[in-house]
Amino acid sequence: HLVQSGPEVKKPGASVKVSCKASGYTFAAYGISWVRQAPGQSLEWLGWISAFNVDRNYAHKFQGRVTITTDTSTNTAYLELRSLISDDTAVYYCARDRWSSSFGVFDIWGQGTVVTVSS
Amino acid sequence: DIQMTQSPSTLSASVGDRVTITCRASQSISDWLAWYQQKPGKAPKLLIYKASTLESGVPSRFSGSGSGTEFTLTIGSLQPDDFATYYCQQYHSHSSTFGGGTKVDI
Repeated sequence: HLVQSGPEVKKPGASVKVSCKASGYTFAAYGISWVRQAPGQSLEWLGWISAFNVDRNYAHKFQGRVTITTDTSTNTAYLELRSLISDDTAVYYCARDRWSSSFGVFDIWGQGTVVTVSS
Repeated sequence: DIQMTQSPSTLSASVGDRVTITCRASQSISDWLAWYQQKPGKAPKLLIYKASTLESGVPSRFSGSGSGTEFTLTIGSLQPDDFATYYCQQYHSHSSTFGGGTKVDI
C-alpha cells in the first residue's frame, strides 16, 4: 500500500511537500515516481527516485522547482514543489515501480493528494 | 520530450463491442509502453506493460500490440466495468509521458 498525506491549500509562490508512506513491501528496493492530474486533464509525470536512492530524474518542465526524496527509516517518499502557481492545482499521486531496480511501469498507486493553489 | 498522442479522445460504445484505442509516440520508444485504466476519483490501474504483456489479474479481453511509434489497446468484448478513461504511457530512458486519454462511455 501507498498512503499519502492530506489535502493542501497554498498561496502562489509558496512550497508544498507531499508524503507517501509505503507498507507491505521492501520500500528501499523499489523506485517511486510522482504523477499529477489537473482537474479534467490527463496524467503528468513529475519525476522519479530509484531504488536505494541511486538515481533521480525529473521532467524537464519541473527541473529546478521539484525535489523527490525518501526516508528509508520511515518507508516514506516525499515530493516538494516550490514557487507554486495556480496551474499547479491538481491531484498528486505517488506510484511504485513494478519491479525492483526498474523504471516506469507503475503497479501500486497512492490514493492521491489534492493540492490547491489559490490567493 | 517524447509526446504521446491518443485517439480517439472519446469513444461511445455498447456492452459486447470490440473497442480499439490508438497511441502514437513522437519518436521510437521500442516497446516501452504501458496502458492504464482510470475511473472517476480513483488512481490509475495498470493493465498492460511492454506494449503487449497483460498485468496479473487483468481480464484477457484486454490486449495490447505495437512497437516503435504505433500502439493499440483492444478490449475484445466491452463489459460494464470497462467504461472508464484509458491512458497510454511511455517509459523510455528513465523519463515518462502519458497520452491525453480516451474516455470510453455508453
